[in-house]
Amino acid sequence: DGGITQSPKYLFRKEGQNVTLSCEQNLNHDAMYWYRQDPGQGLRLIYYSQIVNDFQKGDIAEGYSVSREKKESFPLTVTSAQKNPTAFYLCASSRDRELETQPQHFGDGTRLSIL
Amino acid sequence: AQTVTQSQPEMSVQEAETVTLSCTYDTSENNYYLFWYKQPPSRQMILVIRQEAYKQQNATENRFSVNFQKAAKSFSLKISDSQLGDTAMYFCAFMKWMARAQKLVFGQGTRLTINP
Repeated sequence: DGGITQSPKYLFRKEGQNVTLSCEQNLNHDAMYWYRQDPGQGLRLIYYSQIVNDFQKGDIAEGYSVSREKKESFPLTVTSAQKNPTAFYLCASSRDRELETQPQHFGDGTRLSIL
Repeated sequence: AQTVTQSQPEMSVQEAETVTLSCTYDTSENNYYLFWYKQPPSRQMILVIRQEAYKQQNATENRFSVNFQKAAKSFSLKISDSQLGDTAMYFCAFMKWMARAQKLVFGQGTRLTINP
């Protein structure tokens, strides 16, 4: 079955530590996205990538970094500069524009907590 | 910038009743899409229904239907014959294309509880 795999499901970060969240898709989608969800709130866009080796900042990119070396993979690094990293992180992907727009497909998420 | 507002933080109805969730949005775009997503306790994001702004006819998916009022920038979701499995957070979302990627803007969500 095609889909998006996020790992790990739960992640703990110590103060001053960088951590990397994995996102892999086998849907052959061109675009990939990272969202952050805080309790009782909607999703906010962190970064997105339209093609390999290209990515753009979203609405809340400070303290995060990404890479897109392969079409299938879009890892997110939460750096020590992100002072409030505790949240639920969702990865998504989508196909390029075509006659019938298809909505984004989401992974199952990673919950990040501070130790 | 686009904004999406869901004015009902929580709602609760009895099983088999009909419930309507409200959503308004603000945009200067003419071509866009609107979605309702469901997020159950498992935290998965599940697409419930979609509406293309250029279509006047309201979208329907089984027990789910929308009332899309483009001029008023309103996009409400009606759930008929509600079931216990409908209990979840519901998010309204606005989408426009940015070259080859989608810009999705979410509302803050409505927590819906269906009581037996």
